[in-house]
Amino acid sequence: AQSVTQLGSHVSVSEGALVLLRCNYSSSVPPYLFWYVQYPNQGLQLLLKYTSAATLVKGINGFEAEFKKSETSFHLTKPSAHMSDAAEYFCAVSGTYGNKLVFGAGTILRVKS
Amino acid sequence: DVKVTQSSRYLVKRTGEKVFLECVQDMDHENMFWYRQDPGLGLRLIYFSYDVKMKEKGDIPEGYSVSREKKERFSLILESASTNQTSMYLCASKGGRVTDTQYFGPGTRLTVL
Repeated sequence: AQSVTQLGSHVSVSEGALVLLRCNYSSSVPPYLFWYVQYPNQGLQLLLKYTSAATLVKGINGFEAEFKKSETSFHLTKPSAHMSDAAEYFCAVSGTYGNKLVFGAGTILRVKS
Repeated sequence: DVKVTQSSRYLVKRTGEKVFLECVQDMDHENMFWYRQDPGLGLRLIYFSYDVKMKEKGDIPEGYSVSREKKERFSLILESASTNQTSMYLCASKGGRVTDTQYFGPGTRLTVL
């Protein structure tokens, strides 16, 4: 069985500040991990994914995430927040033998000017 | 670019009506998915299909059925809509490899009165 926990349903940062969105996973098989972003009234768009190659994964829009097996974490970071980063972010996990994703509850990021 | 389209962005139906939500993808993907998105709950898988006429139940299949008669099209059916099915419905498609990305449509916001 797999599950994802996103710590903090809402995160607020100032423009230019570091963005850190937390994701912890549980998986009985080696996981693949994903971060998606959802802008208002839109579907989900892939930011980045970990598929057992490099543990530090770079994605679109300046985001990156690091897979830490010992901590079962896959936190999403961006050095400097931009107003356009305001959205909802979802972490998801899939097993190495399946096609299904299990999503976290989501974190809404607010960027203050 | 992968394109996943959904037949309606907004839909209003009455309790007891039969509701069809249509999803079409243009990338010849084997796998297609229907999710329901509710605030604070993230995305929950209703059904998925890994081939034409093949389907598997997800985490919350009760009250829903699906149909996949052609590879590019995956339909979600609410046999008798109820108010607790008011939600955002998202369709996704994915290629055959486990590491392939799921691509999402824009969503259908369904209100059942």
